[in-house]
Amino acid sequence: SAVISQKPSRDICQRGTSLTIQCQVDSQVTMMFWYRQQPGQSLTLIATANQGSEATYESGFVIDKFPISRPNLTFSTLTVSNMSPEDSSIYLCSVSGFSPPREKLFFGSGTQLSVL
Amino acid sequence: SQQGEEDPQALSIQEGENATMNCSYKTSINNLQWYRQNSGRGLVHLILIRSNEREKHSGRLRVTLDTSKKSSSLLITASRAADTASYFCATDAAGANNLFFGTGTRLTVIP
Repeated sequence: SAVISQKPSRDICQRGTSLTIQCQVDSQVTMMFWYRQQPGQSLTLIATANQGSEATYESGFVIDKFPISRPNLTFSTLTVSNMSPEDSSIYLCSVSGFSPPREKLFFGSGTQLSVL
Repeated sequence: SQQGEEDPQALSIQEGENATMNCSYKTSINNLQWYRQNSGRGLVHLILIRSNEREKHSGRLRVTLDTSKKSSSLLITASRAADTASYFCATDAAGANNLFFGTGTRLTVIP
C-alpha cells in the first residue's frame, strides 16, 4: 500500500487567484493521477502526471488552467489557475497499485476548494 | 460516456440490515472495483472483481459481476453505523488508461 499526503486539506480562495495542491507519496510510483469531484458528483480524471514529461490531460481539461508538475517519482503538484466559483470542488491525487500496476488506486485525503 | 451508473443514489437502512448497491456500465472491462468515500475525503479501495469472476467476498462485503448484463452489485451485510459513506464503482475498461467512476450511492446506516 501507499501513504499519500495531500495538502492543503482545504482552502477558500478569491476569484482570479491560483492555488497549488501538493501530493507526496511515501514510495516511488509510476502512475500518479489528479481527479476532480464537483459537489455531489462522481470523480472525473483531470490528467495523468508523468515523471519527466508533460502531463496527459483528459478531454475538457487544459494545461493552462491546470498545470501539473511531476519532478520525481514521489511528488506532484496540481495548480488551479485563474479560479472562478465553478472551480469549487474536491481535488484528489491518487496513485496506482504496485502489484500489478494500475489495478487499484490509493487516494490522498483530498483538497476541498471553495472559490468566492 | 463510459461512466457507470449506480442505484440507488441514496439508501437509508437500520443498523444490522443488509445494504445492496448496484452499478451498470457500458463497455467491456478488465475488472470492476468498489470504493468508499467518507464525508468528501479520499476514497478507499474495498474490493476488485475481475471480468472472469462472478462473485467475490471480503469480510462483510459481497460483490457480484454479470458481464452479460454489464452490471455489478455490492452487498454489505449486517450493516453498522460506521458503514455510513458514499460508495462508488469504478471500471477498468478494456483499452482505457484510467478508471471510470460511477455516480455513487450515499449510504446512511441509522443506529
